[in-house]
Amino acid sequence: GENVEQHPSTLSVQEGDSAVIKCTYSDSASNYFPWYKQELGKGPQLIIDIRSNVGEKKDQRIAVTLNKTAKHFSLHITETQPEDSAVYFCAALAVNTGFQKLVFGTGTRLLVSP
Amino acid sequence: DAGVIQSPRHEVTEMGQEVTLRCKPISGHDYLFWYRQTMMRGLELLIYFNNNVPIDDSGMPEDRFSAKMPNASFSTLKIQPSEPRDSAVYFCASSFTPSNEQFFGPGTRLTVL
Repeated sequence: GENVEQHPSTLSVQEGDSAVIKCTYSDSASNYFPWYKQELGKGPQLIIDIRSNVGEKKDQRIAVTLNKTAKHFSLHITETQPEDSAVYFCAALAVNTGFQKLVFGTGTRLLVSP
Repeated sequence: DAGVIQSPRHEVTEMGQEVTLRCKPISGHDYLFWYRQTMMRGLELLIYFNNNVPIDDSGMPEDRFSAKMPNASFSTLKIQPSEPRDSAVYFCASSFTPSNEQFFGPGTRLTVL
């Protein structure tokens, strides 16, 4: 089945710096890759997603890149702010099992210091 | 819409007791997902429904866990009997399709003593 690996597990940056979180996946048939942000005490919330027919997608300070050949996708946050501090999860849609379901990475705890 | 609603928000129970978690998905969403989140295992899918029918329950840990969706606006996850290792945060999520945004509820924090 699908396996999603996420790195790093923790990331500390200064306000204004950029942050990059990387994920790899195993199912070559996967075609949907969302990123979720989870704040303390809340459920995960979608912040951006990308589909396999696109190599890059941007939304203000957030961008996601996808390399289907290498089975890599990454989240880039520029000009980080303290409110970006949270746990971020990547996910890939597993399709080779006969069912379509999201498989999540293990999460990255991002801390942005003022 | 109020979003995905889960109850209770916190549950503390003793080993061996039955626990029932409840979820109301967003109206119009055909898919409902139950996830469990722990430090050790991260966010794992337990089961999901399409139009009230269970589609994939391969993530359900064992027979002590069961889930139902009697109608489009209500689902339950039941653990009987509960064990300390079931302590976790349980999330319900809903979406139009598996490849669209999943909207998560606030979660139920379960503690089994």
